[in-house]
Amino acid sequence: AQTVTQSQPEMSVQEAETVTLSCTYDTSESDYYLFWYKQPPSRQMILVIRQEAYKQQNATENRFSVNFQKAAKSFSLKISDSQLGDAAMYFCAYSTQGAQKLVFGQGTRLTINP
Amino acid sequence: DAMVIQNPRYQVTQFGKPVTLSCSQTLNHNVMYWYQQKSSQAPKLLFHYYDKDFNNEADTPDNFQSRRPNTSFCFLDIRSPGLGDAAMYLCATSRGARDRGRGYTFGSGTRLTVV
Repeated sequence: AQTVTQSQPEMSVQEAETVTLSCTYDTSESDYYLFWYKQPPSRQMILVIRQEAYKQQNATENRFSVNFQKAAKSFSLKISDSQLGDAAMYFCAYSTQGAQKLVFGQGTRLTINP
Repeated sequence: DAMVIQNPRYQVTQFGKPVTLSCSQTLNHNVMYWYQQKSSQAPKLLFHYYDKDFNNEADTPDNFQSRRPNTSFCFLDIRSPGLGDAAMYLCATSRGARDRGRGYTFGSGTRLTVV
């Protein structure tokens, strides 16, 4: 079974600085997708960025980018120019090939310090 | 806007009293999921419907049931809530395996309190 591990329960960063959230996963599949979701307090979980496993190029969405290391099964999220609105719980997730289910990591709570 | 709507946002129920949580979607997605999320933990998949086909996770307690009367609606029934069932319940939708790269669309969740 696939597993996703986020080793940082909490992270904090100064506003306008850069922060990296870590994620590792375990799978025997060769074709899969990885996601980072953001869950603000008491609000809806929203998709931040996605990565297709067969694409070597790292995904980028504005201030958000990933460092995808397939051989190491690592998928970290970098947030540049952190803003107060980035404060949230961040979940790394893996999409299984066959059953199309999302497996989530434990989450990292990100605090932005003004 | 197309979306996933969960009602109510907050639900308080008594220990052992059946409760139903509701989810509706205007996205016309094939798949609807129910996740349980306890405080500071990862969302845990309870079950999902692919169209009318129900798929239960092996470790989902029998106390949890689901119904999907049509494409738009899906319900989570907890037959006899215990204190350990207090959690946020998330509904999500997707278009299934053919579109799995898009991930899910989530509702805002229902926070269940058991007293």
